[in-house]
Amino acid sequence: NAGVTQTPKFQVLKTGQSMTLQCAQDMNHEYMSWYRQDPGMGLRLIHYSVGAGITDQGEVPNGYNVSRSTTEDFPLRLLSAAPSQTSVYFCASSPRSERYIQYFGAGTRLSVL
Amino acid sequence: GQQVMQIPQYQHVQEGEDFTTYCNSSTTLSNIQWYKQRPGGHPVFLIQLVKSGEVKKQKRLTFQFGEAKKNSSLHITATQTTDVGTYFCAGAGSYQLTFGKGTKLSVIP
Repeated sequence: NAGVTQTPKFQVLKTGQSMTLQCAQDMNHEYMSWYRQDPGMGLRLIHYSVGAGITDQGEVPNGYNVSRSTTEDFPLRLLSAAPSQTSVYFCASSPRSERYIQYFGAGTRLSVL
Repeated sequence: GQQVMQIPQYQHVQEGEDFTTYCNSSTTLSNIQWYKQRPGGHPVFLIQLVKSGEVKKQKRLTFQFGEAKKNSSLHITATQTTDVGTYFCAGAGSYQLTFGKGTKLSVIP
């Protein structure tokens, strides 16, 4: 199993551009989440999903959209990138039986100029 | 909302010394977890504590969950250079996990 796969690993955007960060998992986990990690701020939850077709907001959802059309995929969309969105983004999944145990992807390092 | 405070923010130790990081929640938790993130890597799950007063050990690592389920600690005995990284606690409240800001451990050989 590949686990949680995130693409791309690195991305540079200009202010105002849009892009989608991809996340896929092959563990058949029901729960998936997106976090951002900034220096000294720990991991902050952006959006999460408890199953296909169901998503909800986390602590810092503004400027981001998500959808969950399949169990495997949970893309994160930046509609109009801003420098404040420069961060490392981690996708995580967890099974229903242990919904709080997060299995993280390798991350996407995003810079917005 | 739920807040999870973690101290210290940084810790530098000589190899062989012990290390402890502490986690405190503003609310009672259903469970708490600990993760380790190596430099340049992603967080990796270490352990989950569920019961009040629970103590678990993994080799040189000892994890404790407070009696009131509002605090936790991670203690590493005789640190090694392989212990370098940032250690995060994460508290489970009503539905979401809230991460502490982490303790960055440096080990001087």
